[in-house]
Amino acid sequence: EADIYQTPRYLVIGTGKKITLECSQTMGHDKMYWYQQDPGMELHLIHYSYGVNSTEKGDLSSESTVSRIRTEHFPLTLESARPSHTSQYLCASSETAYSPLHFGNGTRLTVT
Amino acid sequence: GENVEQHPSTLSVQEGDSAVIKCTYSDSASNYFPWYKQELGKRPQLIIDIRSNVGEKKDQRIAVTLNKTAKHFSLHITETQPEDSAVYFCAADAYPGNQFYFGTGTSLTVIP
Repeated sequence: EADIYQTPRYLVIGTGKKITLECSQTMGHDKMYWYQQDPGMELHLIHYSYGVNSTEKGDLSSESTVSRIRTEHFPLTLESARPSHTSQYLCASSETAYSPLHFGNGTRLTVT
Repeated sequence: GENVEQHPSTLSVQEGDSAVIKCTYSDSASNYFPWYKQELGKRPQLIIDIRSNVGEKKDQRIAVTLNKTAKHFSLHITETQPEDSAVYFCAADAYPGNQFYFGTGTSLTVIP
């Protein structure tokens, strides 16, 4: 089934660890995004990509990096996790301009 | 960049009544305005969207209106049902294309 998949679903790690959140979509969408969202709260754009080898920073991109080597894959890496990174991370994709975002189920991250 | 404001932050209505959520945006170049519904613990799902060349769009009990001159758009839900209870987010795209900025969300509760 065409969808957007995120792993892991839940993650608890210690401060200072390096982590990568995985995101893959099977819809062939060029545009992909990472948002950070505390439960029920506003979505903040972290990074986005218009296609392979294209990445841009959003308003909340500090301390994280992304890569887009393949159309379907858009991983997010935190080099050194901190308690302030505790949140839910939502990956999304869209087909073209004027197309809605399709969201993954999210990764709920807790940094202790 | 784009700034999207959303009101109210919480809204309670009796089942069968109407609910209205309002958003304003700052970037006159924005052309696409989707609305998302997010149930507790789930991913945001598109419920309706509108492009800037249209003033109103309706889908069964849900409608969206857009006033491009005033830079505001609204979601209207008629004949509300308990299953409409969720957090609703408005969004606007932003130049240079398909970045999305979200409002702060409205928590809607429909009282049976």
